[in-house]
Amino acid sequence: DTGVSQDPRHKITKRGQNVTFRCDPISEHNRLYWYRQTLGQGPEFLTYFQNEAQLEKSRLLSDRFSAERPKGSFSTLEIQRTEQGDSAMYLCASSYFSGGGEKLFFGSGTQLSVL
Amino acid sequence: AQKITQTQPGMFVQEKEAVTLDCTYDTSDPSYGLFWYKQPSSGEMIFLIYQGSYDQQNATEGRYSLNFQKARKSANLVISASQLGDSAMYFCAIPRYNQGGKLIFGQGTELSVKP
Repeated sequence: DTGVSQDPRHKITKRGQNVTFRCDPISEHNRLYWYRQTLGQGPEFLTYFQNEAQLEKSRLLSDRFSAERPKGSFSTLEIQRTEQGDSAMYLCASSYFSGGGEKLFFGSGTQLSVL
Repeated sequence: AQKITQTQPGMFVQEKEAVTLDCTYDTSDPSYGLFWYKQPSSGEMIFLIYQGSYDQQNATEGRYSLNFQKARKSANLVISASQLGDSAMYFCAIPRYNQGGKLIFGQGTELSVKP
């Protein structure tokens, strides 16, 4: 068990460019979450998948954001036409959900800086 | 609506001493869980401890324990025998109403352990 891994760890981009982040969850976990964390704040929920189905998107997730989880394994989060306000830490988490309490295990995050 | 309040932006503790990090919450969920996560400067959110609202005993995990007072809606984290490696941000979190993995986080407490 190697934990949740995210790639890249850091991304610097110019305003207007597209960026894509990848998350590999813990292998036996069926749920995968994306959170965003800005400086001095706790993480905020963006979206989540159960297996390959995207079950909810937060209103924080504008139309420029899209997430996928093909085959229910790794997930990608793409931001199109980045804006300076997108600068944040993007955290991925996974869990094994079977109807009871749910414990999330997070990755190290991708720190995005939009110049 | 669910809400988490962490009133201590920063705390200092001497190495080997115990420290208590405060967390109060508000929820309309009759059955809920409370989580504490540690976030070192590397960015990863590390799961520390979980308390279920109907658990008879306060949760403990090694040097971490929860002082859970349901009537007061508080779930304070106690770290015994502080170590230099405990220096980090600490976040308390609660799930959204009946929505397991969608956590609402507090603003965090930055703990600094002095040698």
